[in-house]
Amino acid sequence: EVQLVESGGNLVQPGGSLRLSCAASGFTFNNYAMSWVRQAPGKGLQWVSVISGGGAISYYADSVKGRFTISRDNSKNMVFLEMNSLRGEDTAIYYCARAPILRGIITRGGDFWGPGTLVAVSS
Amino acid sequence: SYELTQPPSVSVSPGQTARITCSGEALPKKYVYWYHQRSGQAPVLVIYDDDKRPSGIPERFSGSSAGTKATLTISGAQVEDEGDYYCYSTDSSGNRGVFGGGTKLTVL
Repeated sequence: EVQLVESGGNLVQPGGSLRLSCAASGFTFNNYAMSWVRQAPGKGLQWVSVISGGGAISYYADSVKGRFTISRDNSKNMVFLEMNSLRGEDTAIYYCARAPILRGIITRGGDFWGPGTLVAVSS
Repeated sequence: SYELTQPPSVSVSPGQTARITCSGEALPKKYVYWYHQRSGQAPVLVIYDDDKRPSGIPERFSGSSAGTKATLTISGAQVEDEGDYYCYSTDSSGNRGVFGGGTKLTVL
């Protein structure tokens, strides 16, 4: 059974940092790209970042580039999102999702999502 | 920045056909994915690669894409199909994912 479980969400002050984790099981982890998607309270989905199966390639939304870093540990079947210089507009539920890779394309839509973890940025 | 445009809401009676559109300049060359999200739950993929249905998704869900517009069709919509629907694709570079603003489907 495919499982994705996010953790690390918390209340943090503006300008602070946080590291989100996503534990994966039930599939061959390094065969999939992994992405982060967020959803602010009452708002729509926003794509944040994606990392390739081997971890060598990553892409970011303009709104987080330079502040967030995605990484993965294939030996532990985990993907991470390091978030720095957090702002109020980063407040959201953060979902991790696995994305099948086809012909080298890693930005395909996620086919399975975790339940999410809540990040709140406030003083 | 690249955008995908969806209607804010669609309403149908049970058993009717619901159609939700998604417009974007890069769609002629990029696949579209559709997600269903019920309140308080994670999104669920209902259509991938424009018109393919994942296992476990009812046959009443179908997708199509022509030119700069993609369409999710729910033939014989049921009450359990209510919720928010989002389209997803990438910009022309293929390096940035983008979601549409979402469409709230009401079946009553």
